[in-house]
Amino acid sequence: GAVVSQHPSWVICKSGTSVKIECRSLDFQATTMFWYRQFPKQSLMLMATSNEGSKATYEQGVEKDKFLINHASLTLSTLTVTSAHPEDSSFYICSATNLGQGIFGGYTFGSGTRLTVV
Amino acid sequence: KQEVTQIPAALSVPEGENLVLNCSFTDSAIYNLQWFRQDPGKGLTSLLLIQSSQREQTSGRLNASLDKSSGRSTLYIAASQPGDSATYLCAASQGGSEKLVFGKGTKLTVNP
Repeated sequence: GAVVSQHPSWVICKSGTSVKIECRSLDFQATTMFWYRQFPKQSLMLMATSNEGSKATYEQGVEKDKFLINHASLTLSTLTVTSAHPEDSSFYICSATNLGQGIFGGYTFGSGTRLTVV
Repeated sequence: KQEVTQIPAALSVPEGENLVLNCSFTDSAIYNLQWFRQDPGKGLTSLLLIQSSQREQTSGRLNASLDKSSGRSTLYIAASQPGDSATYLCAASQGGSEKLVFGKGTKLTVNP
């Protein structure tokens, strides 16, 4: 089945630094990747949708200059949290789909990244 | 705008019991509805996907139903086991897009 690898699984960084999270589709080409964040005991909230080779589409209220998304290839998307602050501490999860197959085949999710900003 | 609600927020049952988790959504113009399992601190594992034209899907001890007209889906777990303990998330596609909207989940605890 489809596999999405997310790295790192957890990271601790100092306030003001930047952190990059990678999301890779291992056995399929991901034309579209989604980035979510999840606060404790809350649901997943979609942050942005990225399509290979084009700019990401951000959801309302998500700062695009703070959460930089790059989807340069069909197997890799990255999320960079710039100038991280403690309130950015959260669980970030990516998912991937290919050419709209998510509609018919569902979505595959990464294992998530726990970000703690101190 | 799609909104997804899951009831109950938490459920504790003895091992062996059959149980039902509920999910409701406000916009019936969905492509599909998907049930996931999330273990603490982990990502999501897809359990069942129901296309909008389908009424139910089954996998092992799991059965999910979909009633678009009433905006409801249920996840039935038969003969529950302690290993079923996790948070179960329901997600419905937002009409006309590939975006998924998630409920807050039901935290299930199956006691030995």
